[in-house]
Amino acid sequence: EAAVTQSPRNKVAVTGGKVTLSCNQTNNHNNMYWYRQDTGHGLRLIHYSYGAGSTEKGDIPDGYKASRPSQENFSLILELATPSQTSVYFCASGDRTANTEVFFGKGTRLTVV
Amino acid sequence: GEQVEQRPPHLSVREGDSAVITCTYTDPNSYYFFWYKQEPGASLQLLMKVFSSTEINEGQGFTVLLNKKDKRLSLNLTAAHPGDSAAYFCAVSAGTGNYKYVFGAGTRLKVIA
Repeated sequence: EAAVTQSPRNKVAVTGGKVTLSCNQTNNHNNMYWYRQDTGHGLRLIHYSYGAGSTEKGDIPDGYKASRPSQENFSLILELATPSQTSVYFCASGDRTANTEVFFGKGTRLTVV
Repeated sequence: GEQVEQRPPHLSVREGDSAVITCTYTDPNSYYFFWYKQEPGASLQLLMKVFSSTEINEGQGFTVLLNKKDKRLSLNLTAAHPGDSAAYFCAVSAGTGNYKYVFGAGTRLKVIA
């Protein structure tokens, strides 16, 4: 079964601090994605990756960086966290063929105070 | 880029009633369409995927209709039960080498016993 694991599951960060959200997948999928979920907006794409070493900007990349050091791992980095980045973040992985669905992790609830 | 509008944002029905959720999209090159279900506090799970124009797919207790001419995708729960209470999201993928998935804002469905 497809498995995407996110850590931490909950995080409280201070404004101006650095936050790293981690994601690991054991599906051997090429594509990985970071989304944030806010009420009224659904899921919005922050960054994505086509494979190790690649990162691409999604629809709302400002204030975020991403890192894909290996096929299995994809991190989302908030260098200077702000309260507006308080949200639930989902990592997902998917095969390179577009007719297959993405598989989601359980989410990370981030609160920036 | 692709825009996906999902309606209604909230839906409350009685047990046994039907419920219809609709998504419209803008990019005529969109090729692959998905419905996800998210139970409270949980991740998103694939409900159904559909590809062909004017396709009807049936699952357990629901029907998915795709009309590419009208650029409309719908999810019809035929006889809702309390276990269907969840958030539902449509997702659209353009394919053709671009494996970004654009999500609707979601519909929060409540089924009253």
